[in-house]
Amino acid sequence: GAGVSQSPRYKVTKRGQDVALRCDPISGHVSLYWYRQALGQGPEFLTYFNYEAQQDKSGLPNDRFSAERPEGSISTLTIQRTEQRDSAMYRCASQSIGNTGELFFGEGSRLTVL
Amino acid sequence: KNQVEQSPQSLIILEGKNCTLQCNYTVSPFSNLRWYKQDTGRGPVSLTIMTFSENTKSNGRYTATLDADTKQSSLHITASQLSDSASYICVVSAENSGYALNFGKGTSLLVTP
Repeated sequence: GAGVSQSPRYKVTKRGQDVALRCDPISGHVSLYWYRQALGQGPEFLTYFNYEAQQDKSGLPNDRFSAERPEGSISTLTIQRTEQRDSAMYRCASQSIGNTGELFFGEGSRLTVL
Repeated sequence: KNQVEQSPQSLIILEGKNCTLQCNYTVSPFSNLRWYKQDTGRGPVSLTIMTFSENTKSNGRYTATLDADTKQSSLHITASQLSDSASYICVVSAENSGYALNFGKGTSLLVTP
C-alpha cells in the first residue's frame, strides 16, 4: 500500500475480552515495530520484527501480549484478557531494508478497555 | 531500563524564543539517532536522522547536534512558532543484527503567544 495501515482505528472492548490489532506495512519493508502510547505519555516500545522473525519482545508488558508476522508482511498484535491499563494508542511503524531508512508510522489503533 | 533519556519532560516558551531539547542515550553499539515531532493525536513526523559521523543536521528552524563520544544529542528550535507546540521524541537505533529502536519518552513543548 501507499502507507502503513492499521486497523481497527478505534476499538472499545470490555475488560477480559481478547483484541487483535493489525498492521499492514509498506510493501517490501523489512522491519516492523510495535509501540504504544498512553494518553499524555511518551512512546513505549513493545516488539519488532525483521521479515517474519520477532527480534525483540522484551517490551511486551506481560504474557497476555503477543505478536506475529507469519509471512513477513502483515503483523498482528494480540492482547488477551484485556485490562483497563491496556488502554492506549497502539502504533506500528515500518522501515525498508537497512538501518537508516525512513520510518513510516501508521495512524494507530486507539484501544479503550472499559 | 530505558536507554534513551530526554529532558526536560515538558517546556513552555514564548513565541519567537529559541529552545533546546536534550537526548542522552546509552544504546550501544550506536547506529543512528532520530528526532521526531508528534502533534497531539497524530503520528510522529521525522525531523532529522543522524549517523555516527554526523555532528549537526538542520531542517529549517530545527537543528540537531550529536556528540557520539558523550552520547548526547540536542534539538535546537529557533524563533519558535505556535505550531511548534508538540511532543519531540528522540529515537536511537542500535547497530546489531536486529536494528532495535529505542524510544525516549519525549519532551512536550508548548509555545505560547
